[in-house]
Amino acid sequence: QVQLVESGGGVVQPGGSLRVSCTASGFTFTDYGMHWVRQAPGKGLEWVAFIRFDGTFQSYAASVRGRFTISRDNSKNNLYLQMNSLRSEDTAMYYCAKAMRTGYEIDYWGQGTLVIVSP
Amino acid sequence: QTVVTQEPSLSVSPGGTVTLTCGLSSGSVSNSFFPSWYQQTPGQTPRTLLYNTGTRSSGVPDRFSGSILGNKAALTITGAQAEDECDYYCVLHVGSGIWVFGGGTKLTVL
Repeated sequence: QVQLVESGGGVVQPGGSLRVSCTASGFTFTDYGMHWVRQAPGKGLEWVAFIRFDGTFQSYAASVRGRFTISRDNSKNNLYLQMNSLRSEDTAMYYCAKAMRTGYEIDYWGQGTLVIVSP
Repeated sequence: QTVVTQEPSLSVSPGGTVTLTCGLSSGSVSNSFFPSWYQQTPGQTPRTLLYNTGTRSSGVPDRFSGSILGNKAALTITGAQAEDECDYYCVLHVGSGIWVFGGGTKLTVL
């Protein structure tokens, strides 16, 4: 069965950097695009970034473009989100999510990793 | 900036039918936006309900259906049950690989 396990969350100061990871199993990772979605405490879901199956295309929400970078290592079945210049409003649960082969909608979600940006 | 709109809250009686909608601040939603719907109980991971407008994800009961109604995407629950009380989110592909979630609808079953 599809499993997505995020890691790397924690507390970071404003202006700092953090990289969160997602390890995928139960499907052929190299065949599917992947998303990052976040949810601030008590708030709704916010799409963050997408990467194509082969890593040749990335897209970002306006709120993170230029600060966050999505990447993947297909040899390790790993997805990453490098977050720089962090702000308090980036505090959220970060979910890794698998995209469908066509259309790229999300079909499976990880359990999330919590990132807190605080002095 | 594109804003995806959803009703902040709705209520339905047990066994009743309710329709949640997903619109755009400017323009109409069509199948080409690949509307999809997600269900989330507070404190839990989101669950995919529907994708590509109206295709149910594996294991989703057939009381959940999706469509385009007028200029919006719609999620209809027919025969609502107590366990359907939670938050529902839609997301649209607005172009260039960019996706935007709606603000979510809190559904109450009472």
